[in-house]
Amino acid sequence: QQQVKQSPQSLIVQKGGISIINCAYENTAFDYFPWYQQFPGKGPALLIAIRPDVSEKKEGRFTISFNKSAKQFSLHIMDSQPGDSATYFCAALLGGKLIFGQGTELSVKP
Amino acid sequence: DAGVIQSPRHEVTEMGQEVTLRCKPISGHNSLFWYRQTMMRGLELLIYFNNNVPIDDSGMPEDRFSAKMPNASFSTLKIQPSEPRDSAVYFCASRRLASSTGELFFGEGSRLTVL
Repeated sequence: QQQVKQSPQSLIVQKGGISIINCAYENTAFDYFPWYQQFPGKGPALLIAIRPDVSEKKEGRFTISFNKSAKQFSLHIMDSQPGDSATYFCAALLGGKLIFGQGTELSVKP
Repeated sequence: DAGVIQSPRHEVTEMGQEVTLRCKPISGHNSLFWYRQTMMRGLELLIYFNNNVPIDDSGMPEDRFSAKMPNASFSTLKIQPSEPRDSAVYFCASRRLASSTGELFFGEGSRLTVL
C-alpha cells in the first residue's frame, strides 16, 4: 500500500536524447510527488515535484507527467546531457512520510 | 545557510561493536528523518521525528537500532550490536513541517561498513 514502484533500474541515453523514468503507486492518499536527483557521494536533492491535481509540470528540460486515474507518474528529461548522469528517485508523500522508489541509474553518453 | 550535517562520513567497524551516527538538521527545520540506502533496498525510511518527538519508527529493522532527538539541533542513530548486514549509507534529512512543498533536505550521508 505504501510502495512506490520505479522503472527502469538503469537507463543509458545518448546525449541530446530523451530520458524517461516511470513510477506507479497504489495508495490514493499520497498527496505530493517529487523527484530527487542523487550524484555519487551526495545525498538526494529535490529536482521537481507535482501535486495530484495537476497533470503536467515543466521546469527547464525536466517534465513530470501525472496520470491520476492510472496512478502513474513519470519524469522526462529532454535534451539529456552527460551532466544529468545520476540516480533519480521518484517519491510520494503520505502524512509527513516521504516514500521513495527504488531509483534509476541514468547514464548519458557523449 | 549550512545544510544538514552528518558525522562521521565514513565508519568501519567490526561486527558486535556499537555504532553511533549523528545529525544536525538545518536550523529552523522541525522535522527530521533517518533513511538507509542500499543497492538491494534503495532508500528506506527508518524513523522520523516532528518537533523532537518520534512519530513513526516502523522502518527500524529491529531492536538493535535506536534513534533519539534530545533537542531541535541534534539527533543520533545507534546500532548495537552491529552486524555486516547493517552496512549501508545512512542519510539524515530535515524539513519545515509547515512547508507546502514538503521538500526534504538531505545530508551527505554516513557510509557504514561492518566487517
